[in-house]
Amino acid sequence: EAQVTQNPRYLITVTGKKLTVTCSQNMNHEYMSWYRQDPGLGLRQIYYSMNVEVTDKGDVPEGYKVSRKEKRNFPLILESPSPNQTSLYFCASSLRRGPNYGYTFGSGTRLTVV
Amino acid sequence: AQSVAQPEDQVNVAEGNPLTVKCTYSVSGNPYLFWYVQYPNRGLQFLLKYITGDNLVKGSYGFEAEFNKSQTSFHLKKPSALVSDSALYFCAVRPNYGGATNKLIFGTGTLLAVQP
Repeated sequence: EAQVTQNPRYLITVTGKKLTVTCSQNMNHEYMSWYRQDPGLGLRQIYYSMNVEVTDKGDVPEGYKVSRKEKRNFPLILESPSPNQTSLYFCASSLRRGPNYGYTFGSGTRLTVV
Repeated sequence: AQSVAQPEDQVNVAEGNPLTVKCTYSVSGNPYLFWYVQYPNRGLQFLLKYITGDNLVKGSYGFEAEFNKSQTSFHLKKPSALVSDSALYFCAVRPNYGGATNKLIFGTGTLLAVQP
């Protein structure tokens, strides 16, 4: 089944403890992106990647890192999580750049930082 | 600044009645417009998109949306609501300019509640 898989689905952690949220897609998509969803703010883009080894900042990149060493994987790294990073995170991918290529979203990761 | 507005946090409608979820946008150039739906504990699912052509776009699950350039709107509609349509709906726009990053700009979402 074609899908975007995120892990974990739920995560509670403490301030300052490094964590990684994994994202993997099996559709050979070039473009991948991370969003966070917060009440009243909708979805905001954190980072995106046009292809392997090509990443760039979105609208809210502070406190996050990403890497794209392989086409299928696009992990989101929080080096020193803080409570304001408590949110619902979504990974998305599309075949390539362009409006005719829709996004496929993962099921989300609900992160709580205490 | 480029933005998408969904003026209603929640829309309530009785089953069988028509529904409308409103969306307006502010971007330069001719935008690409999308609607996504999010069911509880699920990721976003694509409903429909407007790229060019006919202003009335038909999508999944009987939904349609009308692009109105003069009013910069892209309202989502369905002639007869189902209880199973209850979900969170997001309007999104992709700015259309050279070198665009493929980023989607999302609205804040509208919760649709269909009462039996």
